[in-house]
Amino acid sequence: DPKIIQKPKYLVAVTGSEKILICEQYLGHNAMYWYRQSAKKPLEFMFSYSYQKLMDNQTASSRFQPQSSKKNHLDLQITALKPDDSATYFCASSQTSQNTLYFGAGTRLSVL
Amino acid sequence: QQQVRQSPQSLTVWEGETAILNCSYEDSTFNYFPWYQQFPGEGPALLISISSVSDKKEDGRFTIFFNKREKKLSLHITDSQPGDSATYFCAASAAGGNNKLTFGQGTVLSVIP
Repeated sequence: DPKIIQKPKYLVAVTGSEKILICEQYLGHNAMYWYRQSAKKPLEFMFSYSYQKLMDNQTASSRFQPQSSKKNHLDLQITALKPDDSATYFCASSQTSQNTLYFGAGTRLSVL
Repeated sequence: QQQVRQSPQSLTVWEGETAILNCSYEDSTFNYFPWYQQFPGEGPALLISISSVSDKKEDGRFTIFFNKREKKLSLHITDSQPGDSATYFCAASAAGGNNKLTFGQGTVLSVIP
């Protein structure tokens, strides 16, 4: 059974709309992350959270907002979607911010 | 400028051969180098990692060779198996980097039976 659940697996959105990507981890980890993998760029770090607090944000745009309602949840809200936002978004977690990173299977977002 | 570079982009080997995947980096503060394996439709999974205090790390058929002076490392996969066919990512982070990994573009490995 997957220990990091990302929903949905596939998502199609229209330009200008808003979507929320869901991530839940059942590994008992205290740190969670979002990474993005697009066709044109390497897998890139977006956010890190530790004990539900934002630790690092490498996303220039405020259109990307992580939301942590519970310790094992880190959702990603994306507003005013653009075609360039099309990518696979991976949620990840680790025991602490210094331990091995485990990735979910990703949400593939296509913005038309 | 790409901080972590991988070569080749794709590699094909016969079953039983040794596959060599290369990686180089720019940032001298990087001190932790994990390699991730990714199968289609899945997320990357940690395969093996090395810190900058070591020059070699071995785990079964997988070995990392690290050259700090040249800022280069390589992943050797001996006795390659068809099940090793995947994309391999070299990544790097600095001390206290809070798992902010910088990834390379990846090498797609195909192992022919």
